[in-house]
Amino acid sequence: DAKTTQPPSMDCAEGRAANLPCNHSTISGNEYVYWYRQIHSQGPQYIIHGLKNNETNEMASLIITEDRKSSTLILPHATLRDTAVYYCIVRPLDDYKLSFGAGTTVTVRA
Amino acid sequence: GAGVSQSPSNKVTEKGKDVELRCDPISGHTALYWYRQSLGQGLEFLIYFQGNSAPDKSGLPSDRFSAERTGGSVSTLTIQRTQQEDSAVYLCASSLRTATTGNTIYFGEGSWLTVV
Repeated sequence: DAKTTQPPSMDCAEGRAANLPCNHSTISGNEYVYWYRQIHSQGPQYIIHGLKNNETNEMASLIITEDRKSSTLILPHATLRDTAVYYCIVRPLDDYKLSFGAGTTVTVRA
Repeated sequence: GAGVSQSPSNKVTEKGKDVELRCDPISGHTALYWYRQSLGQGLEFLIYFQGNSAPDKSGLPSDRFSAERTGGSVSTLTIQRTQQEDSAVYLCASSLRTATTGNTIYFGEGSWLTVV
C-alpha cells in the first residue's frame, strides 16, 4: 500500500491556521487520503478524508493536489486543544488493516 | 451510543492472569475492529468482524488472544495467560461498511492494559 511522508513536528500559534502537509507520491487511483489525530492518551480521532476533490467539514479542510501526490490538512483556527499527533494515511475503501506512520506532532502555542 | 465505547479504560493485571476487554460499537455500525498500539510502536491490526461473516483473525499475535462479537454488536477481546509484552493500548473501532460511504473507521478511547 502507498506510503505517506509527513514532517515530524510543527508549531502553530493559537488562533492561526495550521497547514499540515503530506506526500503520497505512490498513491493508487482507488486510494483515499484520510487524516486522523491522536491527542495524548486518547484513541485516534477521525478528521476528514477525500479522494480527489477538496473537502471541508466542521473540523478541517483537505486540499488534494490535482495529481493526488500530495495533500494539505488545514485547521483554520488552531486552539490549544488541537495539540496532537496528526496522521495522514492512504487506503482503499475496503482496507481495514490500518497502519499509522510517525505522523506530525503539532504543538499549538498560546 | 454516540461513539465507540470501551471498558475498562485502564487495567493492571498480573502476569499469567486472563483479561477481558469490552467494546460497544457505534449504533448501526456493522463492522467492528480491534487494534493494538504499543508504546513506540505503530497501530497493529488484530481482528475484524463484519455482520455474520467469519471474522478475519489474521492479526491476532498468538492463540492466547481471542475475540467474539455477540448479536452483531458488543465485542469482547480476551487475552489468556497475559505476558508483559501484552502491555499496550487496545483500540476498538467500528464503521458503517457500505460500498458508497467512505467506510470511515471510528476509534474508541482504548483500554490501557498493563501486565506486571
